[in-house]
Amino acid sequence: DTAVSQTPKYLVTQMGNDKSIKCEQNLGHDTMYWYKQDSKKFLKIMFSYNNKELIINETVPNRFSPKSPDKAHLNLHINSLELGDSAVYFCASSQVREQFFGPGTRLTVL
Amino acid sequence: AQSVTQPDIHITVSEGASLELRCNYSYGATPYLFWYVQSPGQGLQLLLKYFSGDTLVQGIKGFEAEFKRSQSSFNLRKPSVHWSDAAEYFCAVGAYTGTASKLTFGTGTRLQVTL
Repeated sequence: DTAVSQTPKYLVTQMGNDKSIKCEQNLGHDTMYWYKQDSKKFLKIMFSYNNKELIINETVPNRFSPKSPDKAHLNLHINSLELGDSAVYFCASSQVREQFFGPGTRLTVL
Repeated sequence: AQSVTQPDIHITVSEGASLELRCNYSYGATPYLFWYVQSPGQGLQLLLKYFSGDTLVQGIKGFEAEFKRSQSSFNLRKPSVHWSDAAEYFCAVGAYTGTASKLTFGTGTRLQVTL
């Protein structure tokens, strides 16, 4: 009974392609997030949505576009993939302060 | 802006030995603090959290952490390490805006356990 799930778990693609990562939470939380973990394991917030409204938008290339069809889902679409986009992307959700993380999606751009 | 420093990139301890992982934060208001653990190829698991109240907090897997406001620290401890504790440990400070909780993570400490 997974709380925060992400698909796919692994994604390997060529430079220049467009790809999407999906996230779903069944915790009933109002807020969802995307984080990027780079090759040095550094974790940084990218976006946050509250009830389908974008509320945190860090300095991220506009090739990255989050979309929240409803408060239980937050997808991340990436256009024109670059080598530097290779990373692990984590989705999370929260109701107040504590965040619950998904298992991550490892994106490899060749 | 908030920030977190984990001064130890890599720590090696023997199984059964005690452990302390250091975390220093910078935040203008009363912080709320977390420790997460990430095993190889896995996601982030919350070990413990501090919001307010008792400055010594207990977590899962026998971990505890102490919030020291005067030192801006939130160090993680375990009295006796098990081989399964080998993982990456992240300290994080949170800023709650009323609708979102913005976490800033440290760079992590990799724990290696020798048998």
